[in-house]
Amino acid sequence: QVQLVQSGAEVMQPGASVKVSCKASGYTFNGNYLHWVRQAPGQGLEWMGWINPNTGGTKYAQKFQGRVTVTRDTSISTVYMELSRLRSDDTAIYYCARDGPLTGDLFDYWGQGTLVTVSS
Amino acid sequence: DVVMTQSPLSLPVTPGEPASISCRSSQSLLHSNGYNYLSWFLQKPGQSPHLLIFLGSNRASGVPDRFSGSGSGTDFTLKISRVEAEDVGVYYCMEALQTPYTFGQGTRLEIK
Repeated sequence: QVQLVQSGAEVMQPGASVKVSCKASGYTFNGNYLHWVRQAPGQGLEWMGWINPNTGGTKYAQKFQGRVTVTRDTSISTVYMELSRLRSDDTAIYYCARDGPLTGDLFDYWGQGTLVTVSS
Repeated sequence: DVVMTQSPLSLPVTPGEPASISCRSSQSLLHSNGYNYLSWFLQKPGQSPHLLIFLGSNRASGVPDRFSGSGSGTDFTLKISRVEAEDVGVYYCMEALQTPYTFGQGTRLEIK
């Protein structure tokens, strides 16, 4: 069965960088784009960007350009999201989510989420 | 960016009764291939969101048939034919046509 398992919660200082991992299993890793979506406490969902695990190609939301980097390690079927120059309003749960196999079938599986708290 | 607007934001429903959520987009989500790139998600309390509907009206795998999606262009609706206690949570619509993918504000369904 498809699983996306994320790394554990982080507490970071303002100005630092955080790197969250998402390990995929149960399907062919190279076959589906992986996305990052975040959710601030009590708030809605915000798409951050995607990676094509096959080529390593990425696309980011304009809001995060220059601060976010998504990479992958195909040898261990894992995608990483690094967010730099952290601010207090980056405190959120960060989710990875997979594109499904069908047309328009985005985000058919989600990771369990990683809480990143930015606080001095 | 496409702006997604949901209504209502809060929806109290008696078990067994129907429920309906509206989602409006600031731009048409109708692709030249004839599909509407609109998805619906449910986030149950303390859980990750999960996919209910994609391409406007296609139920995701394992989703009960009491959930249905309809609409085209800029106006979409999610309907639950008979609400059950397990349907409690926040429902989000999302445009899947172009990046940045954007979500509605969410509609909180609660049981009366």
